[in-house]
Amino acid sequence: AQTVTQSQPEMSVQEAETVTLSCTYDTSESDYYLFWYKQPPSRQMILVIRQEAYKQQNATENRFSVNFQKAAKSFSLKISDSQLGDAAMYFCAYRRSRDNYGQNFVFGPGTRLSVLP
Amino acid sequence: DGGITQSPKYLFRKEGQNVTLSCEQNLNHDAMYWYRQDPGQGLRLIYYSQIVNDFQKGDIAEGYSVSREKKESFPLTVTSAQKNPTAFYLCASSIGETGGQDTQYFGPGTRLTVL
Repeated sequence: AQTVTQSQPEMSVQEAETVTLSCTYDTSESDYYLFWYKQPPSRQMILVIRQEAYKQQNATENRFSVNFQKAAKSFSLKISDSQLGDAAMYFCAYRRSRDNYGQNFVFGPGTRLSVLP
Repeated sequence: DGGITQSPKYLFRKEGQNVTLSCEQNLNHDAMYWYRQDPGQGLRLIYYSQIVNDFQKGDIAEGYSVSREKKESFPLTVTSAQKNPTAFYLCASSIGETGGQDTQYFGPGTRLTVL
């Protein structure tokens, strides 16, 4: 079974600085998708970024980028120019591509990010 | 505006009662999901539905039931058989692409507390 690990239960970053959240996963599949979701205090889950395993290029979305290391099964999230609104729980998630209809997402336990003014 | 709505935001239940959590989406998504989130933990899948009139058990389906009579709606009933129902419940939906990059989008959640 696939597992997703986030080894940092809590992180903090100074406003305007850069922070990296780590995620590792275990799978025997070669084709899959990886996601980072953000859950702010409102508890609404928001998709931050998505990476297809067959793409070597790391995904980026404005201030958010990932470092995808397929051989190491690592998928870290870098937040640049951190803002107070970035404070949230961040969940890493995995889904194998041959699953139908988006089923079988596997979520990590989350990392709580605090942004210090 | 397209999106997913869940109601109520907060729900209180007495022991022995069944309660139903509402989830509605106007995204024209085929697939819908229910997750449970406990403090300090990730999301665990309760039930999912790939299409109207069809649904499948997830990892922790015991004590829960669902229906999918309409594409837009996927209500979750927490029955008295669920021994520890106090949690945050999240509903999600996705387009339902076969083998594709099917991304899930979430509603705002319902906080259920057993008194």
